[in-house]
Amino acid sequence: AQSVAQPEDQVKVAEGNPLTVKCTYSVSGNPYLFWYVQYPNRGLQFLLKYITGDNLVKGSYGFEAEFNKSQTSFHLKKPSALVSDSALYFCAVRLLSGAGSYQLTFGKGTKLSVIP
Amino acid sequence: NAGVMQNPRHLVRRRGQEARLRCSPMKGHSHVYWYRQLPEEGLKFMVYLQKENIIDESGMPKERFSAEFPKEGPSILRIQQVVRGDSAAYFCASSSSGQGGFYGYTFGSGTRLTVV
Repeated sequence: AQSVAQPEDQVKVAEGNPLTVKCTYSVSGNPYLFWYVQYPNRGLQFLLKYITGDNLVKGSYGFEAEFNKSQTSFHLKKPSALVSDSALYFCAVRLLSGAGSYQLTFGKGTKLSVIP
Repeated sequence: NAGVMQNPRHLVRRRGQEARLRCSPMKGHSHVYWYRQLPEEGLKFMVYLQKENIIDESGMPKERFSAEFPKEGPSILRIQQVVRGDSAAYFCASSSSGQGGFYGYTFGSGTRLTVV
């Protein structure tokens, strides 16, 4: 069984400061990792993904994430936060291949608040 | 490209009524997935369908819930005799392949079901 943990329910950061939203995962096989963002009363928007290759992945809106296999982590980062980044962020994992590999397993989400 | 379209956006049902949620996948996508988001929770996989076939319904409650994706028309998630615990946001996603495609999935904006 696969699982995702987002240890922080909420992250607050001042505008212009760097931000990190943490994610750790557990999967029996090669992971396919995602970050999605959800604005109020909206669906999930894709931010970035990791399949293989460079451990640092760059995505939309200036976000990036670092895959760390030894720590089974995939933390989301941004060098300089904007007030408009305030939203709910979800980390998700699925198997790269095999039975059930289409199923995404999500973390509970982290609410990011960027303070002006 | 209109993306994944879900309707209605909001649905209010009294206990015991039926709820029908509709999802039209992105043009060219023949794989549909339904996820449920309970308050303060991440999304949970419910069912995976291709045209006229249910591929995996392991995440669906055993009773009262059913899903279909007919040859023509949208995918339908049907909840019979709704109870308060069914109140949640229901998201549909689609992909061009069963492996979720390059970006994973494209999500719709969801249907927020409230049972009163």
